[in-house]
Amino acid sequence: QITLQESGPKLVKPTQTLTLTCSFSGFSLTTTGERVGWIRQPPGKALEWLALVYWDDDERYSPSLRSRLTIAKDTSKNQVVLTMTNMDPVDTATYFCAHRNRNNGGLSWGQGVLVTVSS
Amino acid sequence: QPVLTQSPSASAFLGSSVRLTCTLSGRHDTYIIAWHQQQPGKAPRYLMEIGSSGNYHTGSGLPDRFSGSSSGAARYLTISNLQSEDEAEYFCETWDSKTWVFGGGTKLTVL
Repeated sequence: QITLQESGPKLVKPTQTLTLTCSFSGFSLTTTGERVGWIRQPPGKALEWLALVYWDDDERYSPSLRSRLTIAKDTSKNQVVLTMTNMDPVDTATYFCAHRNRNNGGLSWGQGVLVTVSS
Repeated sequence: QPVLTQSPSASAFLGSSVRLTCTLSGRHDTYIIAWHQQQPGKAPRYLMEIGSSGNYHTGSGLPDRFSGSSSGAARYLTISNLQSEDEAEYFCETWDSKTWVFGGGTKLTVL
């Protein structure tokens, strides 16, 4: 069974850098084809994909946020870390990590963490 | 990159059926899409993926009241015998090696 759990600060100030951790079990990011992504959802709004990391260290980013995002995996800890720089109140959202099944499109979601950006 | 278009809202009566639509942008009309359900205050839940042929593969434990189909660039999610717990937001999603893309979501109200 695949599980994912996001962790990180619930409140950050404008201009600060946000660091979120996705801890997972049930698969290994050393296995060919595996990948984990980050998605966010502002309150009352749609889902927005942010970034993606593959088993082979390939990284992909949303074009609109690429300059502010970094995704990294730590295979020894079964974790994926997302950093977002220069946080702004418009970045207030629930941040989810998710794993895509290697053999089909199935997505396993974490429960999400609500991050509020406010001074 | 692909664009997914969904109607913002839909409604149907308890016990009836409803079909939700997700439309792929023209150049991407052969893409596989996934449907996700998000009940209020909860994380999304993967429901199924649907290919251009209309074949679909469901997630674990999904009731057979949920089915999928395709026509051209449109991908459909049909829910039969609507239950109160089906009231939720439904997002479609597509992906390739470079990106994941979500539609704007359809809020389903069960009357």
